[in-house]
Amino acid sequence: QKEVEQDPGPLSVPEGAIVSLNCTYSNSAFQYFMWYRQYSRKGPELLMYTYSSGNKEDGRFTAQVDKSSKYISLFIRDSQPSDSATYLCAMNYQAGTALIFGKGTTLSVSS
Amino acid sequence: NAGVTQTPKFQVLKTGQSMTLQCAQDMNHNSMYWYRQDPGMGLRLIYYSASEGTTDKGEVPNGYNVSRLNKREFSLRLESAAPSQTSVYFCASSSWDTSAYEQYFGPGTRLTVT
Repeated sequence: QKEVEQDPGPLSVPEGAIVSLNCTYSNSAFQYFMWYRQYSRKGPELLMYTYSSGNKEDGRFTAQVDKSSKYISLFIRDSQPSDSATYLCAMNYQAGTALIFGKGTTLSVSS
Repeated sequence: NAGVTQTPKFQVLKTGQSMTLQCAQDMNHNSMYWYRQDPGMGLRLIYYSASEGTTDKGEVPNGYNVSRLNKREFSLRLESAAPSQTSVYFCASSSWDTSAYEQYFGPGTRLTVT
């Protein structure tokens, strides 16, 4: 079992839909939980991060971490065609160690 | 401020040829990384350098070597390319105080080995 599991999709939704993206993990030592967004033929960019458990909101995006279930989610409200991208979850133990990435979920939002 | 730059953007090699992928960052970051990205496999770490003068193997180091030339530059070398090394290669960097969660990625190098 890989340390981080993510359904690759693809996921297709109409504009305005609520999108839920998820990852599960096996290592309870992870403390940092991130979501990166990658547009086609570009490098990934950090979208949001959460330290330990809880929720974090940034505009239309909400990240949730449930450490008891080893499960993280990213919700996108009022999805837009510009949200069409691959979303990668990533996790880490501490500063100075390498991030562990999920495989990424490809999202397509149609207008 | 260019961020992380990678050269070349595209490359086609024949099996057995060698090449070096170049990466440079202008953000004064301590840590640098090389990843490969393949369909269905996600981002896999090849090598990383936590600070100038140090390098460590990642998940898939076989067939690659790296050099941390100075604080700005981190190169990846394929000594004898194989078709299995066909991939998109990303370089990334991070500062120590945000390295737990934030990496800045370059635009990638698309490598095809025939």
